[in-house]
Amino acid sequence: SQQGEEDPQALSIQEGENATMNCSYKTSINNLQWYRQNSGRGLVHLILIRSNEREKHSGRLRVTLDTSKKSSSLLITASRAADTASYFCATDKEKLTFGTGTRLTIIP
Amino acid sequence: EPEVTQTPSHQVTQMGQEVILRCVPISNHLYFYWYRQILGQKVEFLVSFYNNEISEKSEIFDDQFSVERPDGSNFTLKIRSTKLEDSAMYFCASRVLQETQYFGPGTRLLVL
Repeated sequence: SQQGEEDPQALSIQEGENATMNCSYKTSINNLQWYRQNSGRGLVHLILIRSNEREKHSGRLRVTLDTSKKSSSLLITASRAADTASYFCATDKEKLTFGTGTRLTIIP
Repeated sequence: EPEVTQTPSHQVTQMGQEVILRCVPISNHLYFYWYRQILGQKVEFLVSFYNNEISEKSEIFDDQFSVERPDGSNFTLKIRSTKLEDSAMYFCASRVLQETQYFGPGTRLLVL
């Protein structure tokens, strides 16, 4: 299986702090995508990083990818209460294989 | 901005009944997918569809499931005889080539 597995499973931080979530996977990938899901809602795409890229930025998001370690990280800087959600990495090899997610809570 | 839409948003059905979940992918997309998420669990791949045929399916996608693209815009998932364990959120997704998969808002299916 090429499952992405995130850690930590849950993370609570104060508003304004940075949040870092990690993802590990097992097999080769075409790219890796990060998604966000508010409770009981749909999946919102955050960022896609290709297998030949090492780092990517989008606004307050920074994603890194280390294919030698088969790992990725998502950094959210200057967190806001509205960032409270579950965050999933998904390895992409034709289909997406999702991890179990990190439940992020931002405390105002 | 174009988006994937799904109907209905919620569906309640009796065990053994057939359900059809509908999706309208983004218009210029070529690859279509169904995923499901049982409450509290991870999102699981069901099936991918390209060029009017299934390109890959998971073990979950057994003979009770079928997909169809009946016209140029709709993409449907049919469950022939629903079971209690089919209760989940079902997501449709679409994309162009090896790019971002865009997800619809989901259909919450409850089988009683």
